[in-house]
Amino acid sequence: QVQLVQSGAEVKKPGASVKISCTTSGYIFTNYYLHWVRQAPGQGLEWMGIINPTDGSTRHAQKFQDRFTMTRDTSTRTVYMELSSLRSEDTAVYYCARGTPYYHSHFDYWGQGTLVTVSS
Amino acid sequence: EIVLTQSPGTLSLSPGERATLSCTASQSVSSNYLAWYQQKPGQAPRLLIYDASRRATGIPDRFSGSGSGTDFTLTVSRLEPEDFAMYYCQQYGSSHTFGQGTKVEIK
Repeated sequence: QVQLVQSGAEVKKPGASVKISCTTSGYIFTNYYLHWVRQAPGQGLEWMGIINPTDGSTRHAQKFQDRFTMTRDTSTRTVYMELSSLRSEDTAVYYCARGTPYYHSHFDYWGQGTLVTVSS
Repeated sequence: EIVLTQSPGTLSLSPGERATLSCTASQSVSSNYLAWYQQKPGQAPRLLIYDASRRATGIPDRFSGSGSGTDFTLTVSRLEPEDFAMYYCQQYGSSHTFGQGTKVEIK
């Protein structure tokens, strides 16, 4: 069965960086785009970006320009996101989600979420 | 960026009743690329509907989606106790954006 398993919760100070992993199984890794979505406490869902596991190409939401990076390791079927220059507003649960073989995607499988807390 | 507005913010209904949730886009959604998700506290979202009206695998047929262009609807024909949750719409015709959510609560 399809599974996306994320790394554990993180506590970071303002200005630091955080890197989260999402390890996939149960399907052909390079056949589906993967996305990152976050959810601040008590708030809605916010799309952050997309990575093509085949060639590693990425696109991200404009608001995260310059401080959001996505990478992948095809040997371990894992994608990573790194967010730098953290501020308190980045406190959220971060999800990876499987899209489709196309850029325009709904998300059919989700990771369990990783809570990132930014606090001094 | 396409902005999605969901209404109402909260829907108070009893089990067995019909729920009708609305999602309005600020501009036409290309190819009706509109999805609906259900989310319960402490859980990841669950895909219910994609391409405006296609039910995802394993989703009961009491959930249905309709609409096109800028106006979309999720209908739950008869609410079961497990259906009380938050619901989000998402468009993926132009980048990807979510609505702010509708909470379906027990009356």
